[in-house]
Amino acid sequence: GAVVSQHPSWVICKSGTSVKIECRSLDFQATTMFWYRQFPKQSLMLMATSNEGSKATYEQGVEKDKFLINHASLTLSTLTVTSAHPEDSSFYICSARAPDYEQYFGPGTRLTVT
Amino acid sequence: QKEVEQDPGPLSVPEGAIVSLNCTYSNSAFQYFMWYRQYSRKGPELLMYTYSSGNKEDGRFTAQVDKSSKYISLFIRDSQPSDSATYLCAMSVAAGNKLTFGGGTRVLVKP
Repeated sequence: GAVVSQHPSWVICKSGTSVKIECRSLDFQATTMFWYRQFPKQSLMLMATSNEGSKATYEQGVEKDKFLINHASLTLSTLTVTSAHPEDSSFYICSARAPDYEQYFGPGTRLTVT
Repeated sequence: QKEVEQDPGPLSVPEGAIVSLNCTYSNSAFQYFMWYRQYSRKGPELLMYTYSSGNKEDGRFTAQVDKSSKYISLFIRDSQPSDSATYLCAMSVAAGNKLTFGGGTRVLVKP
């Protein structure tokens, strides 16, 4: 199956700093990627849809100025959590839509804000 | 009311038993249905993908979709301890569109 990677897999940052998470499709081009957030023992909640070459579409209740998304190429989307606070601590997962329309998920990034 | 409902479990079964999972949904626009398996602190892994009512089989896995009842199921035959994970149903209104997930069911297969 198709492979999607995320970097870093785990990051700890101090409150008030910004953190960038990368999502890469390794063996296919993805015009669309999705960013999800998952709290412990809860399901995935879609944050935004990232489209290559255009602005991301954010779900209701997600602050676009806090969660900056850039889909710079057909294989890379980045999520930047700006001015992170402890309540932003979570598991962030991306998925990439392959040409066959299936979505392949990355392994996730665990963010801890102290 | 959530768009997709899924019993959180945990569901504990002995090795070799059939695991039965299901989800109900309220949005009749959903046309594509998926089941994912997620191990702790890992990304979801696609198990099954269907878009029509009826059954679809792949190895030990069988997915059922009943659009008239807005009900989908996943059956795992001959369950193994390695099947212990959280199983998530997901749906979309069109192929490749954003997914709406159920809450996930935690499954434990005991040796």
